[in-house]
Amino acid sequence: ILNVEQSPQSLHVQEGDSTNFTCSFPSSNFYALHWYRWETAKSPEALFVMTLNGDEKKKGRISATLNTKEGYSYLYIKGSQPEDSATYLCASAKAAGNKLTFGGGTRVLVKP
Amino acid sequence: DAEITQSPRHKITETGRQVTLACHQTWNHNNMFWYRQDLGHGLRLIHYSYGVQDTNKGEVSDGYSVSRSNTEDLPLTLESAASSQTSVYFCASSESGRNGELFFGEGSRLTVL
Repeated sequence: ILNVEQSPQSLHVQEGDSTNFTCSFPSSNFYALHWYRWETAKSPEALFVMTLNGDEKKKGRISATLNTKEGYSYLYIKGSQPEDSATYLCASAKAAGNKLTFGGGTRVLVKP
Repeated sequence: DAEITQSPRHKITETGRQVTLACHQTWNHNNMFWYRQDLGHGLRLIHYSYGVQDTNKGEVSDGYSVSRSNTEDLPLTLESAASSQTSVYFCASSESGRNGELFFGEGSRLTVL
């Protein structure tokens, strides 16, 4: 994988259901994987920064896992709520220089 | 509270004009970045800086320039605006030596007619 790719591009979820989506990134020269939450008309805000293979992070009902050997990360939303509606971006860094390459995002719409 | 601000938030200009978008951060971060957001492309890196007097080209740098004369500011200049540069521009900053979490400005919507 040469670029950072996210799938699916968009997702409709019923309120209360759980969901997950994928970020694929180059596994060579990996340094860090970031997840950002981006609400409409606002700025992206960091959810997680992950660096270690097998790492799992959690913030409320949102959690993420990281597999650096195969180059993927999953983001999970448990019991989706309308306020979870946003675009979720992942980005990878190849070095400590903090230059990130972003995926195209997964747009999540939670229906009441 | 520390913050990162962009101005103007909205700008309409004509093809061929020079445009400068300002970015000012009070986090005292060494690293600053400019991204553009376009439908179907996510965020693409235009230019970035790791400190005063340091600037680097990103993946879509053609037609843009930046300068870093102090820690707080990284203005983005479009030398001769083109319609292809109509976009939403985001400035971001991060602290060196940490996990690299980006702090974003509110975005500047630029329309080139």
